[in-house]
Amino acid sequence: EVQLLESGGGLVQPGGSLRLSCAASGFTFSNYAMTWVRQAPGRGLEWVSVISGSGGGTYYADSLKGRFTISRDNSKNTLYLQMSSLRADDTAVYYCARPLGGHYYMDVWGKGTTVTVSS
Amino acid sequence: EIVLTQSPATLSLSPGERATLSCRASQSISSYLGWYQQKPGQPPRLLIYDASSRATGIPARFSGSGSGTDFTLTISSLEPEDFAVYYCQQRSNWPRITFGPGTKVDIK
Repeated sequence: EVQLLESGGGLVQPGGSLRLSCAASGFTFSNYAMTWVRQAPGRGLEWVSVISGSGGGTYYADSLKGRFTISRDNSKNTLYLQMSSLRADDTAVYYCARPLGGHYYMDVWGKGTTVTVSS
Repeated sequence: EIVLTQSPATLSLSPGERATLSCRASQSISSYLGWYQQKPGQPPRLLIYDASSRATGIPARFSGSGSGTDFTLTISSLEPEDFAVYYCQQRSNWPRITFGPGTKVDIK
């Protein structure tokens, strides 16, 4: 069964850092680009970042202004999101998601991990 | 950035009725549009990709149409489990995908 399982969320103070992980199983992880999408409480979906299958290509939403770093370890079938200089408006559920092969729509999603930025 | 707008914001209908949801792009995106369904406390579920192709396991009552800047998701006859929020997403300028703000379909 294809699965994604996020972890690493929690409560962090403004200006702090956090690293999210997403463990993948049931498919050949290195064959797929992977994305992070977030959803603030009561709000819509916001694309955060994407990384190519090899890890050689990374892209970020302009709104992040260099505060987040996406990476992956294909030997561990794990995707990461390193978040720094966190702000209150980064509070959200963070989902990792796998694009439908060749079509770039997300057909596999994790259950999400909640990040709360508050003092 | 390609901006997607969805209308209406809320659609109040009864089970068995037909639902028509709209998504408009700020510039032409060809047929590179998808639709998702999201229920409270759950991740989104892909329904439609490339404007009109149903994703695996999606019932035939869900259909998508459109191209260019105007797109429609139609649910032919609402089932109780279809009451949810629906988002559109463009992939025209992958990897910089964007989502619409969503349409909530609630029970009248």
